[in-house]
Amino acid sequence: EAAVTQSPRSKVAVTGGKVTLSCHQTNNHDYMYWYRQDTGHGLRLIHYSYVADSTEKGDIPDGYKASRPSQENFSLILELASLSQTAVYFCASRPGGLWTLYFGAGTRLSVL
Amino acid sequence: SQWGEENLQALSIQEGEDVTMNCSYKTYTTVVHWYRQDSGRGPALIILIRSNEREKRSGRLRATLDTSSQSSSLSITAAQCEDTAVYFCATEGSSNTNKVVFGTGTRLQVLP
Repeated sequence: EAAVTQSPRSKVAVTGGKVTLSCHQTNNHDYMYWYRQDTGHGLRLIHYSYVADSTEKGDIPDGYKASRPSQENFSLILELASLSQTAVYFCASRPGGLWTLYFGAGTRLSVL
Repeated sequence: SQWGEENLQALSIQEGEDVTMNCSYKTYTTVVHWYRQDSGRGPALIILIRSNEREKRSGRLRATLDTSSQSSSLSITAAQCEDTAVYFCATEGSSNTNKVVFGTGTRLQVLP
């Protein structure tokens, strides 16, 4: 079973503060993704990566940075957190293109 | 609005009934993923159907894909209470982009 671990599981941040969400996978997967989910809505792609030290923009990258320092780790960084970034964030990995995504349990972020 | 930004659609059925959820996508896709999300958890793949397949079955699940109309459907036969969840379709344009984009999703409630 593919394992994707997100930390923290929940976080409260202040407006204007810096937030880092972490994702770790032990599956030796090449691809990793960050999605956000607002209550009662679907998932929207923020950033993704298919190799260490390289990231790609998704559909809603504004206000977010991503970092892939190794194959196993993929971080999402909010340099200046805003109220509108309150959401649940999901990380996912997969072995290659056109294949299933394996999701973590999510990080619930509240920006106050 | 972006695909997936709208509110989740809601369906409520009785146990034992059949149900079909539809997904219309806007751009070319080489594969349609169907995911199930239980409350408080990340999505998990239930069926993946590729562009050269018209139908895919897995137990009580049946997915169809019509590339000419850019639509896919997920059917559950004889739904059970444990099928209560949110169901999403997701598409990806090609193996070169590696982007997996999620649709709006349907919140299915199966009543005893």
